[in-house]
Parts: sequence; C-alpha cells; structure tokens
Amino acid sequence: QQQVKQSPQSLIVQKGGIPIINCAYENTAFDYFPWYQQFPGKGPALLIAIRPDVSEKKEGRFTISFNKSAKQFSLHIMDSQPGDSATYFCAASIRTGTASKLTFGTGTRLQVTL
Amino acid sequence: GAVVSQHPSWVICKSGTSVKIECRSLDFQATTMFWYRQFPKQSLMLMATSNEGSKATYEQGVEKDKFLINHASLTLSTLTVTSAHPEDSSFYICSARDRVHNEQFFGPGTRLTVL
Repeated sequence: QQQVKQSPQSLIVQKGGIPIINCAYENTAFDYFPWYQQFPGKGPALLIAIRPDVSEKKEGRFTISFNKSAKQFSLHIMDSQPGDSATYFCAASIRTGTASKLTFGTGTRLQVTL
Repeated sequence: GAVVSQHPSWVICKSGTSVKIECRSLDFQATTMFWYRQFPKQSLMLMATSNEGSKATYEQGVEKDKFLINHASLTLSTLTVTSAHPEDSSFYICSARDRVHNEQFFGPGTRLTVL
C-alpha cells in the first residue's frame, strides 16, 4: 500500500526556533517529494520539493533533507515566524507516470508563538 | 505564476440538490486535473483524476455516479455532487497539472455545506 507517514501531528515552537517535520515512505518507486503549506480555509501551496538524487535542498528559510536509504525526508524551517503558523503536508509521487498522483502525509499543525 | 481558481468558494445547499464546482487553470493548460476532498483537520484525499477529453479515473470507494467529473477543455474541469446529503459536506480542492513543468498547482478550495 502506498503510504506516507508524517510526524509530529502538531508542533509548537517559539519565534526564531527551527521546527522539524518528518516523513517516511514505503514505495521505492516514488521519485518526487514536495512539501505543501496550507492555511485554514485555503488550498495547499507548494513550498519546496526534492528529487531522490540529492540529499538536501534549500529555498529561503525552508530546507528539505532527504535520506534515500532510510526512505525518509524532513522539512526544516529556519528562523520561524508567527506567519509560518499553518498546516504542513509532505507528499510523494511517481513523476514519470502519466497521472503523477500525489500521496499525502497526514499533516502537521505548526504554531509559532511570539 | 501558475494560478488555479475554483468557483464557488463556498456553497450551501439543501439535501437532495446537485451542486457544480468549477476548477480553472488561469494561465496554463492542464491536461490533467485532480479532485480532492478534505475533512476538518485531516489530510487531502484524492477522489479522482480528470484527463481532458476522456473519462475521469476514480479512486477506490468514490462513487462515480455521485461525483460527476467533466474535463471538457485544457483549462476547465467541473465536479458535480449529485443528490447531495449532509455527509457530503466537506472542503473540495482541485489541482491542475502544468504539463510543461509537470507540477501540480492547487485551487483555493470550495466549502460545501449540505443542510
């Protein structure tokens, strides 16, 4: 069964802290791993994505770390701000497929306090 | 950037009526669009994959006669919830795949409430 497991379910950090959200997958055919940010009542927005041929990707304050052998990847948010408070979803897909369906993790509700 | 719109953003209807939700890719062509359903504080659940000019592919457990999907053009897909009931109340989100960059862009969602 194609699954992406995400943890923690919720996370509270102080402003300036570095929240880390972890995901693990089972299907070794997955070759694309995006992270999405979703605010209440809105659709998800792509934050950053990585392919399995690299171990780390950084865009602004967001960094993905990828461990292919462990089948795990994580999102780090540097210098977190109250505006980062949202729900974060990891996902995985087989990009070479014609459908490129995304399999989503269960989500992490992040709260950044002052 | 790639923008996907949904209309309406929210709808309230009576039980037994049908509701149509539109999903449009505003600045790119999308041969494939996806429809998701999201319950409060839960993840997105893929309902169906819609390919332009062909029948939608539904995920296991999704009733195709209840959730009618039409993808008549490269920029428009519609989801019709037929004979809606209170248990169909949910947040429906579409995404469109940009065929040039092979990236999915999500719409803002439609909140459906069935009374």
